[in-house]
Amino acid sequence: AQSVTQPDIHITVSEGASLELRCNYSYGATPYLFWYVQSPGQGLQLLLKYFSGDTLVQGIKGFEAEFKRSQSSFNLRKPSVHWSDAAEYFCAADLGQNFVFGPGTRLSVLP
Amino acid sequence: DGGITQSPKYLFRKEGQNVTLSCEQNLNHDAMYWYRQDPGQGLRLIYYSQIVNDFQKGDIAEGYSVSREKKESFPLTVTSAQKNPTAFYLCASRGDRSPYEQYFGPGTRLTVT
Repeated sequence: AQSVTQPDIHITVSEGASLELRCNYSYGATPYLFWYVQSPGQGLQLLLKYFSGDTLVQGIKGFEAEFKRSQSSFNLRKPSVHWSDAAEYFCAADLGQNFVFGPGTRLSVLP
Repeated sequence: DGGITQSPKYLFRKEGQNVTLSCEQNLNHDAMYWYRQDPGQGLRLIYYSQIVNDFQKGDIAEGYSVSREKKESFPLTVTSAQKNPTAFYLCASRGDRSPYEQYFGPGTRLTVT
């Protein structure tokens, strides 16, 4: 079945620490892939996207993501987390007929 | 600035009343979507529309209705048949060029008592 999974429901990191949020997809081909961020009570904002070419993509707010075809993954990373990064993060994929979101990972940041 | 607007930000209704949530976009996108989000939950697709005068049910369409009479507008009506209408509702549109990301409005929080 076509799906997007985010194995971590909630992650807590200290401010200044590095961050990696995991995302895996299930699809017969390489989909278009996206990461969105949602602050409480707000809409979703696009952080970055991948559709072809360089497998390491840069986004806004200092985020980057790496596409790994062999692992069907598109993990989001940030080298140094800021308190303002605390939010919900959604991985999403355009799987042809369907645009599918993962369940989300909530990020908490400790001072 | 191009974008998606949803109004109002907060909406309160009594049980048994229908309520319509507004969604307008000036991005000239053909496709538009409505999602429901409950606390700690991901996004669940209610309805989507690929083009004017056409729309399709999503995963949780029961108790909801939509119309798409204009390209820029995709209102959602939460009917009294929706058993648990209290939620955060998000409207989105989708770009017409690859890689077709979705653009989101700020959302409407509906509370039904």
